Amino acid sequence: GESVGLHLPTLSVQEGDNSIINCAYSNSASDYFIWYKQESGKGPQFIIDIRSNMDKRQGQRVTVLLNKTVKHLSLQIAATQPGDSAVYFCAERNTGTASKLTFGTGTRLQVTL
Amino acid sequence: DSGVTQTPKHLITATGQRVTLRCSPRSGDLSVYWYQQSLDQGLQFLIQYYNGEERAKGNILERFSAQQFPDLHSELNLSSLELGDSALYFCASSVLDRVSPLHFGNGTRLTVT
Repeated sequence: GESVGLHLPTLSVQEGDNSIINCAYSNSASDYFIWYKQESGKGPQFIIDIRSNMDKRQGQRVTVLLNKTVKHLSLQIAATQPGDSAVYFCAERNTGTASKLTFGTGTRLQVTL
Repeated sequence: DSGVTQTPKHLITATGQRVTLRCSPRSGDLSVYWYQQSLDQGLQFLIQYYNGEERAKGNILERFSAQQFPDLHSELNLSSLELGDSALYFCASSVLDRVSPLHFGNGTRLTVT
């Protein structure tokens, strides 16, 4: 089902290419960041996380980069596959409100064959 | 499969009515979080419980309430429903009383007519 507003930014990528999804966060007190993937009709699925004392973390086919200077987070997906088509959200946790995740608006990734 | 179970999957009700949404967290997780996802507002944090106690509140209306039971399942009660309450309601769980990360269920789609 639909996950966020009608005006989601969309990234179209050809199958096999690398994808880069960007996210700007606003709170310099955020100490923990997560990328989620949401497919149609499902809940957000955890992809990868990173703490503020790191600037890079790698998983299987995914890499998250954190630039605290400019408050920017990116998710890189290598060799993008049709199954990667989904909406991707970044989320941040503020040290002052450690129980709360604040989500970005999301980016729709479309993988073309 | 995240291990978080939500019921029902879909709920259609009329304005003014009251509904209860149910969530079972992942085995071993003590924290339960509720989020609302609507078209125009994205994912919004509502409330968090840890081991039966309320820990944090977000943008939760007074018409909404929640609780976490001794077996750790949680219920979100929505009353005096309005058309604007139509949304996806997600439950998430984590081991700790802080985001570490969160694992989401597949949600309950509420339609208020």
